[in-house]
Amino acid sequence: EVQLVESGGDLVQPGGSLRISCAASGFTFSNFFMSWVRQAPGKGLEWVAKIRGDGSDIEYVDSVKGRFTISRDNAKNSLYLQMNGLRAEDTAVYYCAKFGVEWGLDFWGQGTLVTVSS
Amino acid sequence: QTVVTQEPSLTVSPGGTVTLTCASSTGAVTSGSYPNWFQQKPGQAPRALIYSTTYKHSWTPARFSGSLLGGKAALTLSGVQPDDEAEYYCLLFCGGPWVFGGGTKLTVL
Repeated sequence: EVQLVESGGDLVQPGGSLRISCAASGFTFSNFFMSWVRQAPGKGLEWVAKIRGDGSDIEYVDSVKGRFTISRDNAKNSLYLQMNGLRAEDTAVYYCAKFGVEWGLDFWGQGTLVTVSS
Repeated sequence: QTVVTQEPSLTVSPGGTVTLTCASSTGAVTSGSYPNWFQQKPGQAPRALIYSTTYKHSWTPARFSGSLLGGKAALTLSGVQPDDEAEYYCLLFCGGPWVFGGGTKLTVL
């Protein structure tokens, strides 16, 4: 059974940094693209970043370029999002999601809440 | 960046049929946009329904189908059930980044 479990969400001051993680199980992690998606309170979904199985082919949404870094550790079956220069508008539930065949974003975690506030 | 547009809200009667659409600001949506559709209920993570325009996941009910319609991606629900009341999001590949639509709130009434 595929499982994605996010962790690390917290209350952070504007300008601060945070790293969130996603622990994956139930599939061969290194074979699949992974993605981060976020959802601000009461708002829609926003795609944030993706990374290929070998750690290459990284893309970001414009609003986080230069501030966020997606990475993975295939030995630990883990996906990460390093977030620097956090802003109030980065407040959201952050979901980890797996790309399957034919670019289907098939499995999602339950999310971790990041709150940026003074 | 590309803007992806969905109907903000739709209402359908139980047993009826409804089509949700997903348009791209850059032009016609094609199979190369790999349209995905997701269902989200309050307090829950999104659940994948459709990928690559028409393909269903193993858990997707048969009453959900995906297509291209008039230059847009489309999600059709046939024989709508009360449990289908939810927010529905499309996702498109935009040549590098991916972009979600703003979501359609589907009411079953």
